[in-house]
Amino acid sequence: SYVLTQPPSVSVAPGETTTLTCGGNYIGGKSVHWYQQKPGLAPVVVIYYDSDRPSGIPARFSGSNSGNTATLTISGVEAGDEADYYCQVWDSSSNQYVFGPGTQVTVL
Amino acid sequence: QLQLQESGPGLVKPSETLSLNCTVSGGSISSPYYWGWIRQPPGKGLDWIASFYNAGNTFYNSALKSRVTISVDTSKNHFSLRLDSVTAADTAVYYCARYRLHLGDLSYVKDWGRGTLVTVSS
Repeated sequence: SYVLTQPPSVSVAPGETTTLTCGGNYIGGKSVHWYQQKPGLAPVVVIYYDSDRPSGIPARFSGSNSGNTATLTISGVEAGDEADYYCQVWDSSSNQYVFGPGTQVTVL
Repeated sequence: QLQLQESGPGLVKPSETLSLNCTVSGGSISSPYYWGWIRQPPGKGLDWIASFYNAGNTFYNSALKSRVTISVDTSKNHFSLRLDSVTAADTAVYYCARYRLHLGDLSYVKDWGRGTLVTVSS
């Protein structure tokens, strides 16, 4: 089955830029979606189809996807960005909906 | 504005069946989206359970498929999850969800319920 990898945690100072990675075999050939989840709440999609942003999501969030790694970049990090971030793909070869293990972002 | 609301027992005994309903308001489950269930064990990541389209095309997490049943009641605009032979490992927050379609395939989760915690314990 298809497996996604994410670093467990990242720490970043306010105002800095952080890049979260999501690894998978030839993930560049798939559409990657990113979710933000704050404690006690349901996840919210922040990037879909690799790099599209839903309305209401700040332009500080951006995404890219190539080769074996997809990335979510948060520029000018704010305290409110502290959350868990999950990447997700649909693996059409196995008909499985796959989430990465998540990265906890801590704002220092 | 679409709303999804999970309901069901918060406590299930080991080896018994977990049953949850998802009531949809502000939209029809017959509309062109996938619908389904995702869970999250306490302190852990997201775990996809199953998704269906028009009560016909259903995909299951291969690790759970033998224990999962999805049913749909379009007259009540709700769908249900049944998970058999539960163990403590099935303790989780269960979310119902609406997914976007992309070229006929499952895409991202557009809408989530608030989630309901189900604990498996005697």
